[in-house]
Amino acid sequence: DQQVKQNSPSLSVQEGRISILNCDYTNSMFDYFLWYKKYPAEGPTFLISISSIKDKNEDGRFTVFLNKSAKHLSLHIVPSQPGDSAVYFCAASGGAQKLVFGQGTRLTINP
Amino acid sequence: GAVVSQHPSWVICKSGTSVKIECRSLDFQATTMFWYRQFPKQSLMLMATSNEGSKATYEQGVEKDKFLINHASLTLSTLTVTSAHPEDSSFYICSARDGGQGHTDTQYFGPGTRLTVL
Repeated sequence: DQQVKQNSPSLSVQEGRISILNCDYTNSMFDYFLWYKKYPAEGPTFLISISSIKDKNEDGRFTVFLNKSAKHLSLHIVPSQPGDSAVYFCAASGGAQKLVFGQGTRLTINP
Repeated sequence: GAVVSQHPSWVICKSGTSVKIECRSLDFQATTMFWYRQFPKQSLMLMATSNEGSKATYEQGVEKDKFLINHASLTLSTLTVTSAHPEDSSFYICSARDGGQGHTDTQYFGPGTRLTVL
């Protein structure tokens, strides 16, 4: 049972435009959500997180939106830069310390 | 802050030998560390949760006797792959929770260790 789903395995965006990565979850006990960026053969890098008491969190070019009723979160990157090309994982936590990861979305920024 | 290191970054070993991978939190104390495994083009698979001073908690399907985890201090956890076989070849990544700042569920990851068993 995949509790966290990233339905788009890949996304291609032109440099300078907005990248929107989506994530859906099924477990209503999740109350903390994170986005990680990962390059090949490297560990994931923490990008941004959001608690379930909020619906938006912003950090520079990165904004995460949470829609609890739809059990959906999204990561917006604007403007997109070539260095943003990587695999992005969303993750969720329900207070049991463990993170549940989605399958990842490969983002490619085209010049 | 919140830097996690892993050593070695890659290792090649013969079948039947044991390999130890170290995970260190460099600028914070980590009461809890996690070990993941990633297969090519797949998501991270949690293997076990390691708590300082106590036995690790393994996920279903992970062999405790094959993947030995020790978390002897607040900054170091080790994963030993015993009697390694070619099917153990994978990318192993550790993470640590920084309970001192931010949300306690945020995990910071090490750079990973590529294990190849011949």
